[in-house]
Amino acid sequence: AQSVTQPDIHITVSEGASLELRCNYSYGATPYLFWYVQSPGQGLQLLLKYFSGDTLVQGIKGFEAEFKRSQSSFNLRKPSVHWSDAAEYFCAVVSSSNTGKLIFGQGTTLQVKP
Amino acid sequence: GAGVSQSPRYKVAKRGQDVALRCDPISGHVSLFWYQQALGQGPEFLTYFQNEAQLDKSGLPSDRFFAERPEGSVSTLKIQRTQQEDSAVYLCASSRRSGHEYFGPGTRLTVT
Repeated sequence: AQSVTQPDIHITVSEGASLELRCNYSYGATPYLFWYVQSPGQGLQLLLKYFSGDTLVQGIKGFEAEFKRSQSSFNLRKPSVHWSDAAEYFCAVVSSSNTGKLIFGQGTTLQVKP
Repeated sequence: GAGVSQSPRYKVAKRGQDVALRCDPISGHVSLFWYQQALGQGPEFLTYFQNEAQLDKSGLPSDRFFAERPEGSVSTLKIQRTQQEDSAVYLCASSRRSGHEYFGPGTRLTVT
């Protein structure tokens, strides 16, 4: 069965520092992978997605992610974190390419220290 | 343009009451999804519509949960005889094609 694991439940970084959020997936075929961000009381906003092609994907707000098939990973990175990046981050995989049904990880809470 | 909207944004129900949660998808979006997000967890799939047809309801946790989309646009998620474990944020998403889902702000349901 498909699954997504985000090993870090909570991460704290200083403003201006670099960030990497980990995501591992289990999926039999070529996965469609996503990163979403959720601010308190808000819905999910898509940061970036990978379907095929270049394994380094650029997203909004300066985020990028790299698909590594050999490691079954899709880690999210940002070179310099801003205080406004504090939020919950979810990695997801499409479990059915016909429908777009998503399986989400349990999320990583990012706290940014001034 | 307008995004996915959900109403109400917050709902408090007493245990045993029935509730109805509404989702207005983006106009023209064929696909519509409902997800349940418990506190501190990632969203979990409940059900999927393609137009008015409910093609996948494998995630509905019990027969107290019922969803409909009669005209292929607005959808309603109904929960009968609410229980405390139903407390969660209910997210709706719509898309024109797979992999391009847009999420609404969610309805936070609290069952007391």
